[in-house]
Amino acid sequence: GAVVSQHPSRVICKSGTSVKIECRSLDFQATTMFWYRQFPKQSLMLMATSNEGSKATYEQGVEKDKFLINHASLTLSTLTVTSAHPEDSSFYICSARKQGINEQYFGPGTRLTVT
Amino acid sequence: QKEVEQDPGPLSVPEGAIVSLNCTYSNSAFQYFMWYRQYSRKGPELLMYTYSSGNKEDGRFTAQVDKSSKYISLFIRDSQPSDSATYLCAMKLNTGNQFYFGTGTSLTVIP
Repeated sequence: GAVVSQHPSRVICKSGTSVKIECRSLDFQATTMFWYRQFPKQSLMLMATSNEGSKATYEQGVEKDKFLINHASLTLSTLTVTSAHPEDSSFYICSARKQGINEQYFGPGTRLTVT
Repeated sequence: QKEVEQDPGPLSVPEGAIVSLNCTYSNSAFQYFMWYRQYSRKGPELLMYTYSSGNKEDGRFTAQVDKSSKYISLFIRDSQPSDSATYLCAMKLNTGNQFYFGTGTSLTVIP
């Protein structure tokens, strides 16, 4: 199989604090991981693509300094939302891709609420 | 024009009906075509994966790719209430990492 986990599944934080979301590929090595944001009843919005050991590539309009991505190993990528504000409240989903394979496998998502 | 167009629905069908979900695309260079199912408040789950043209069948699901028309379809036979979800199509070029997603079609199967 190709299982991707995310932690936490749900987080509530206060405005101004930082939140870290972990994405792990449990049974395969992910050379590429993707981070998406999804608003209610809307499609996935790609935020950034990260390859293990190198800097993430951010999509236009996504603030690099606000959404810090670290792909430290072939099984772990983290997204840190720094100085979170209520408008950052959203459903964040990661996905992972095996080398040489074209499918993406998604994590279960993390619901972030900033109060 | 968006790279991938998908009717958002919502689509509502009675249990047992055949469901047809579709996407059109503009880039003839797309080679890989995928369908994902996403339940509410969950991450998308890969349902079907097709390379280039043709049909692929897996149980009650059939994926079709018509590259000449730039049109892909997902058929669900004998639809069940558990099929109620949002279905996303996705496409990819032969190279690179970028995936192109449709907006998703919301499906409700009524018992």
